[in-house]
Amino acid sequence: DAMVIQNPRYQVTQFGKPVTLSCSQTLNHNVMYWYQQKSSQAPKLLFHYYDKDFNNEADTPDNFQSRRPNTSFCFLDIRSPGLGDAAMYLCATSRVERVHEQYFGPGTRLTVT
Amino acid sequence: LAKTTQPISMDSYEGQEVNITCSHNNIATNDYITWYQQFPSQGPRFIIQGYKTKVTNEVASLFIPADRKSSTLSLPRVSLSDTAVYYCLVGPVSGGSNYKLTFGKGTLLTVNP
Repeated sequence: DAMVIQNPRYQVTQFGKPVTLSCSQTLNHNVMYWYQQKSSQAPKLLFHYYDKDFNNEADTPDNFQSRRPNTSFCFLDIRSPGLGDAAMYLCATSRVERVHEQYFGPGTRLTVT
Repeated sequence: LAKTTQPISMDSYEGQEVNITCSHNNIATNDYITWYQQFPSQGPRFIIQGYKTKVTNEVASLFIPADRKSSTLSLPRVSLSDTAVYYCLVGPVSGGSNYKLTFGKGTLLTVNP
């Protein structure tokens, strides 16, 4: 089945230690998104790629970076995680002509110690 | 982006029909209405999308009045497994490189035995 895969499902990192979360898709969608979701809150868009065109949200901290080396893969890099960055990180994909129909991965739960 | 308002929570019982209403008074002409479902510790899942009148699929129905200032998601004969957060989103369907999907607070539906 075509899907969005996120690895790892659970990640523990130390305060200030860089961490990378990965996302891959077999849907061949041209748009990929990264969301942050904290406990009991709605998902919040961090940035998205339309093909290789990177779109950063104005309020996304500089601590968060992303890479999309090809259509299938997208990475979220947190350069110096703080305790406030502990959250579920969700990757999603869509076709550009149907951006409202996004397909989400299962998420990576990040814990910062 | 049109702002949406929906109840914070709703309670129901197995076998009942559940209707969740979302208000979007400043919806734009080219905006569509989309609903997502999110189970705990999972990514959101697209349920249904519509522009006007009524849309039905195997999961739910979406009712949109002529003025489009509100919409109602209808879940027929809910079961315990329908307990989830339901998000109403409003925006254009295709957005190119500048599009973003903004999740509101959502409605926590709890289905009781």
